[in-house]
Amino acid sequence: DQQVKQNSPSLSVQEGRISILNCDYTNSMFDYFLWYKKYPAEGPTFLISISSIKDKNEDGRFTVFLNKSAKHLSLHIVPSQPGDSAVYFCAATLETGANNLFFGTGTRLTVIP
Amino acid sequence: GAGVSQSPRYKVAKRGQDVALRCDPISGHVSLFWYQQALGQGPEFLTYFQNEAQLDKSGLPSDRFFAERPEGSVSTLKIQRTQQEDSAVYLCASSLVPSGRQETQYFGPGTRLLVL
Repeated sequence: DQQVKQNSPSLSVQEGRISILNCDYTNSMFDYFLWYKKYPAEGPTFLISISSIKDKNEDGRFTVFLNKSAKHLSLHIVPSQPGDSAVYFCAATLETGANNLFFGTGTRLTVIP
Repeated sequence: GAGVSQSPRYKVAKRGQDVALRCDPISGHVSLFWYQQALGQGPEFLTYFQNEAQLDKSGLPSDRFFAERPEGSVSTLKIQRTQQEDSAVYLCASSLVPSGRQETQYFGPGTRLLVL
């Protein structure tokens, strides 16, 4: 059973506009959320994270929003750049245990120049 | 500094063969994770080490999968009698601190295994 879901397999955005990638989760025990970016033939690269005690975290062009009541988080990229084109994975960890990551299936972002 | 490295990058095996996949984590990283990523899916947890101790192997899909980290650094994931459904990218990740704390995991490039 998929505990982290990314329902949009792909997204295309014009350069300079905002990209919004969405993620939903089912397990209320998740307490830390991360976004990873993945280029072909490479491993996922950490992008930004947010703790469950916050509702927003910003790092440059990237902002992650967390809505715990809706079990929903989103990644905003503004302005989008062609180099942002990649697959983005949402991931979550539990409060206890090994802190292994539970991943979504990913969203392929294409930024059109 | 050096990141997580994995070898080989690509492996083709005939069904029934045994394979061994290697992971070199970032120096000093206590935690090491293995994930399996099937085509079109997100990575799925296989197993976790804290130093040399394998503390969680709940994600290993069958007893054909075995992982070790004997000296608390390099880890090997072994798959015995490979099956076609084992075809996937196997990702290794490491993090600085032990479990129970939020910490970013750093991933290697993965080993792409194809079982024919």
